Amino acid sequence: QKEVEQDPGPLSVPEGAIVSLNCTYSNSAFQYFMWYRQYSRKGPELLMYTYSSGNKEDGRFTAQVDKSSKYISLFIRDSQPSDSATYLCAMNTGFQKLVFGTGTRLLVSP
Amino acid sequence: DGGITQSPKYLFRKEGQNVTLSCEQNLNHDAMYWYRQDPGQGLRLIYYSQIVNDFQKGDIAEGYSVSREKKESFPLTVTSAQKNPTAFYLCASSMLAGGPHEQFFGPGTRLTVL
Repeated sequence: QKEVEQDPGPLSVPEGAIVSLNCTYSNSAFQYFMWYRQYSRKGPELLMYTYSSGNKEDGRFTAQVDKSSKYISLFIRDSQPSDSATYLCAMNTGFQKLVFGTGTRLLVSP
Repeated sequence: DGGITQSPKYLFRKEGQNVTLSCEQNLNHDAMYWYRQDPGQGLRLIYYSQIVNDFQKGDIAEGYSVSREKKESFPLTVTSAQKNPTAFYLCASSMLAGGPHEQFFGPGTRLTVL
């Protein structure tokens, strides 16, 4: 079993839809949770991070962490074609070594 | 502008050759990392370094070597011992202490073995 599980998709939605992207993990020591967005043939860019449980909102993006269920989510409201990319979750215990999910490919059609 | 640069963007290698991928950062970050990305496998850590002249193996270090002679630079050499080197290579950096330890990535180098 992988430490971090993420559905690879692709997830196809129409423009304007609410998108939910999720990861589950097995290591209860993880404390820092991040979401990266990666466009094709580019390096990942950090979208959001959260510490421990709770929600964090930034514009159209909301990150949610449920440590009791070992489950994290990224919600995208009013999705746009420019949101089409691969979304990677990542997490660590507070030291530098990040553990990544495999990424979910999102396609937003106009 | 602060950031991470990688060069070259595309690299072609013949079997049996060693090649070196460049990574430079001007973010004044202490830690630097090399990842390999293959389709369907996410990012896998090759090597990382927290301080100059020191580095640690990641999960898939066999067939790779690194050096950290300067804080700003962390080159990766893909040796002929790496049996399947064709992949997308990503360099990242982060602050060593404090904060959530976000890693910031460079644009990547796509290596193809001919």
